[in-house]
Amino acid sequence: AQSVTQPDIHITVSEGASLELRCNYSYGATPYLFWYVQSPGQGLQLLLKYFSGDTLVQGIKGFEAEFKRSQSSFNLRKPSVHWSDAAEYFCAGGPYSGNTPLVFGKGTRLSVIA
Amino acid sequence: DTEVTQTPKHLVMGMTNKKSLKCEQHMGHRAMYWYKQKAKKPPELMFVYSYEKLSINESVPSRFSPECPNSSLLNLHLHALQPEDSALYLCAVKGQGDSPLHFGNGTRLTVT
Repeated sequence: AQSVTQPDIHITVSEGASLELRCNYSYGATPYLFWYVQSPGQGLQLLLKYFSGDTLVQGIKGFEAEFKRSQSSFNLRKPSVHWSDAAEYFCAGGPYSGNTPLVFGKGTRLSVIA
Repeated sequence: DTEVTQTPKHLVMGMTNKKSLKCEQHMGHRAMYWYKQKAKKPPELMFVYSYEKLSINESVPSRFSPECPNSSLLNLHLHALQPEDSALYLCAVKGQGDSPLHFGNGTRLTVT
């Protein structure tokens, strides 16, 4: 079965520190992968996406993610976290097939401390 | 992101009320989605419309009734809801091919 796993429920980092949020997927073929961010009471905002090509993808707000087929991972990174990055982060994936619904991970809540 | 607009932002309704949630998009995308999201959980798919026709219903109770009157509008009609239906209801749209889902900011629904 297709699945997306985010192993970390909650992560706390200091402002200015680097960040890595983990995401693992389980698909037969190359999946279509996304990272979304959600601030409290808001909708989900797309940070970046991957389907093919360069395995290191750049997104908005200084985020990047690297697709590693050998590890079935698509981890999100940011070199220096800002307090405004505190939010819920969702990894999502699906087959490249029309409107087939995405599968979402359970999310990782990021807290940023001074 | 104002390309997908949901109204109202907040809604409080009793269990005997009838209300509707509205989603309007200006992206020209032909796939439209309703998601339900409980606190600290990922979005759960409810319905998918493709070219204004219902293509997926994730076994949602009949007290939720979707409608897609045209390519820009998506409604969710609510009737006889239960307190456990309180949640954030998100609308999303998607274009062709590798286009991602674009979400609205949601309607926070409270059922009393």
